[in-house]
Amino acid sequence: AQSVTQLGSHVSVSEGALVLLRCNYSSSVPPYLFWYVQYPNQGLQLLLKYTTGATLVKGINGFEAEFKKSETSFHLTKPSAHMSDAAEYFCAVSDGSDYKLSFGAGTTVTVRA
Amino acid sequence: GAVVSQHPSRVICKSGTSVKIECRSLDFQATTMFWYRQFPKQSLMLMATSNEGSKATYEQGVEKDKFLINHASLTLSTLTVTSAHPEDSSFYICSAVEGPLGYQETQYFGPGTRLLVL
Repeated sequence: AQSVTQLGSHVSVSEGALVLLRCNYSSSVPPYLFWYVQYPNQGLQLLLKYTTGATLVKGINGFEAEFKKSETSFHLTKPSAHMSDAAEYFCAVSDGSDYKLSFGAGTTVTVRA
Repeated sequence: GAVVSQHPSRVICKSGTSVKIECRSLDFQATTMFWYRQFPKQSLMLMATSNEGSKATYEQGVEKDKFLINHASLTLSTLTVTSAHPEDSSFYICSAVEGPLGYQETQYFGPGTRLLVL
């Protein structure tokens, strides 16, 4: 079984500052890891994913995440926050066999002008 | 990119009535679709896995007779909430996997359907 823990339910950053969202996972098999973003009253949009290969994954909108097996982590970063980054972010894990995703509780990002 | 639509986007119904929500993959074939439920300010909870041409697989604790799922074609899955009650009010989101199992790992999500049962 897989599970995800997102540290911090709410993150507030200044525009132009670093965005760091933390995600730790638990999996009995090599995991597939995902970050999704959700804007109010909308579905989820894939930011990036890790399946195999390079552990530093670049996604859309300037986000990237690094898979660290030794730390069972998949933290999401963006060097410079923009007002449009204000949203809910979900980390998710699957075992890659049946596509079932287990989601973290989510982190709300607010961006201060 | 792959697009998934849902209809309706918002529905209000009376207690005791049934509501059907459609999920369509617009530009790809989806052998597998998923239905999620999201309560306010909470994460997504998987309700069921919908496979084209076969019965849906429900997660533990989800009433299959209350949440009827039909995946009649490779581009359409429907979720029917039968005899809806106020506690069924929620945000329902579907997702679809492009391509055959083992080929693609990405789920594409629909925009969600807000259900309010009065």
